[in-house]
Amino acid sequence: DVKVTQSSRYLVKRTGEKVFLECVQDMDHENMFWYRQDPGLGLRLIYFSYDVKMKEKGDIPEGYSVSREKKERFSLILESASTNQTSMYLCATANYGYTFGSGTRLTVV
Amino acid sequence: KQEVTQIPAALSVPEGENLVLNCSFTDSAIYNLQWFRQDPGKGLTSLLLIQSSQREQTSGRLNASLDKSSGRSTLYIAASQPGDSATYLCAPNNYGQNFVFGPGTRLSVLP
Repeated sequence: DVKVTQSSRYLVKRTGEKVFLECVQDMDHENMFWYRQDPGLGLRLIYFSYDVKMKEKGDIPEGYSVSREKKERFSLILESASTNQTSMYLCATANYGYTFGSGTRLTVV
Repeated sequence: KQEVTQIPAALSVPEGENLVLNCSFTDSAIYNLQWFRQDPGKGLTSLLLIQSSQREQTSGRLNASLDKSSGRSTLYIAASQPGDSATYLCAPNNYGQNFVFGPGTRLSVLP
């Protein structure tokens, strides 16, 4: 079965910290995505990547960056965490349809 | 840009009822549409993927239909159970664009 693994289910970080959220897939898919999900705002696309070393901005890239050094791994980086980045973060891969990871609930205090 | 709405926003039904969740989208140039389920605090689980050439797709008690020309999809759940309680999201996929997700329908099935 297809798997998308997010390294942490829950994280608590301090304001100003650099935060890394890791996502690993075992499906050999080229397309990978990072979303955040907030009540009342739905799923919003932060960044996506169609290939190794490629990255494209989504709808809300400010305050984030990404890294894709290997096909199976797509990392989301919060350069300097702020309280308004407290959210649920979801990683996904896509071929014909999407497969999501289980999510990381990040709290920035 | 694709816009997706889902009606109703929330639904509460007694166990055993058959129910229909609706998804509407503005851009009918899609090549597939996916339905997801999300439990509180969890990621999205794919339920059904329906290709634009298909009218229906079935999995167990779930049936998804697609009317591409009118920009509509429905998810039919037969004989609902308390374990079906979750939020259901639809996501049409347009050529050359990323999936756009609907806001979801929050379903509660009461025992």
